[in-house]
Amino acid sequence: GAGVSQTPSNKVTEKGKYVELRCDPISGHTALYWYRQSLGQGPEFLIYFQGTGAADDSGLPNDRFFAVRPEGSVSTLKIQRTERGDSAVYLCASSLGGDRGRETQYFGPGTRLLVL
Amino acid sequence: AQSVTQLDSHVSVSEGTPVLLRCNYSSSYSPSLFWYVQHPNKGLQLLLKYTSAATLVKGINGFEAEFKKSETSFHLTKPSAHMSDAAEYFCVVSDHQAGTALIFGKGTTLSVSS
Repeated sequence: GAGVSQTPSNKVTEKGKYVELRCDPISGHTALYWYRQSLGQGPEFLIYFQGTGAADDSGLPNDRFFAVRPEGSVSTLKIQRTERGDSAVYLCASSLGGDRGRETQYFGPGTRLLVL
Repeated sequence: AQSVTQLDSHVSVSEGTPVLLRCNYSSSYSPSLFWYVQHPNKGLQLLLKYTSAATLVKGINGFEAEFKKSETSFHLTKPSAHMSDAAEYFCVVSDHQAGTALIFGKGTTLSVSS
């Protein structure tokens, strides 16, 4: 079946611009996660959705970052006033949603964001 | 607070020889532990996970890991490396009782030579 998909695969933008990154989770998965992976590092948690609501947004670095999941399926990560330090690979994952600490998360291929 | 330390940033082996990727963790409660693999330009894939059942966990592609609470370790092993095993490997911890997010290690790059 279809896995997690993310668009675009690559995004180049200029400092100060606004960007949106999209994630399509596996059908039927109620839990959705966003991570950020900087060069040479492991992924870092940003935000977790259970259904339509953000159950945990403790990983968002500041108020320039925001994410939505209005219908409980597709999610969009929004970054305002981008900075060069935002350059990274943004990963999305989904899971069935019963227990985020134990269940397998399925990852998308990521969106590589470059802020010039 | 939880954390995970991957003791080697890079491991090189010859094809057909054993693989050992080391991971130590810190967790206040009952940890769940995972190993994920990331091939170039591909998404992260789960190799195996420990969630408080058997301490020796078998995963895909011949990998296994043993949860050792006394040593706070969860090392990944494979008896015989294959060229296709060359990738980045991440050890991951979460606290399932507290329902916390996954905490990833910095990764270990595995190189396999012929």
